[in-house]
Amino acid sequence: TQLLEQSPQFLSIQEGENLTVYCNSSSVFSSLQWYRQEPGEGPVLLVTVVTGGEVKKLKRLTFQFGDARKDSSLHITAAQPGDTGLYLCAGPHSGTYKYIFGTGTRLKVLA
Amino acid sequence: DVKVTQSSRYLVKRTGEKVFLECVQDMDHENMFWYRQDPGLGLRLIYFSYDVKMKEKGDIPEGYSVSREKKERFSLILESASTNQTSMYLCASSSRRGQETQYFGPGTRLLVL
Repeated sequence: TQLLEQSPQFLSIQEGENLTVYCNSSSVFSSLQWYRQEPGEGPVLLVTVVTGGEVKKLKRLTFQFGDARKDSSLHITAAQPGDTGLYLCAGPHSGTYKYIFGTGTRLKVLA
Repeated sequence: DVKVTQSSRYLVKRTGEKVFLECVQDMDHENMFWYRQDPGLGLRLIYFSYDVKMKEKGDIPEGYSVSREKKERFSLILESASTNQTSMYLCASSSRRGQETQYFGPGTRLLVL
């Protein structure tokens, strides 16, 4: 069974700090997506990583796909209150049209 | 710019009512999904569709049905709403080609009284 585990579950930090969120699996994924979801809204796609070892940057956010395509990380530099939200990783379930979702990391950045 | 829209952002219904939630995507995607999201339980798949008139049960289909008569539209139906169906409902779509990314709508927050 393909599972995605995210850590930490909760994170509360001060504005300006750096943080890393992890998404791990014992299974190989063909790609992984990262989403941010704000309260009362649907998840918004941040990035898709496809190639093992791939690094993508989105302003202060850096995403990395593990070499073996079993894990991914999201690093935020100099966090801002606008980064507050639920961060979800997700990947396509092999052999089906379904997706596997991580349980999420709830981030709160205090001003 | 990709777009998935849902018919209502907030909905209040009474127990026993029939409820229709509609989702429309403008990306010509083959796959469409309905999830519900509850605190502590994450996203749970209700139904999905991989083509017009095709549907498959997800993990929690009981009490729900779906309809996909056109490629761009996927409807979720609660035949007789119950209070335990109070939740956030999220629609998503994806293509069978490319990177298989799912795109979500803004969600419908349903309250069943």
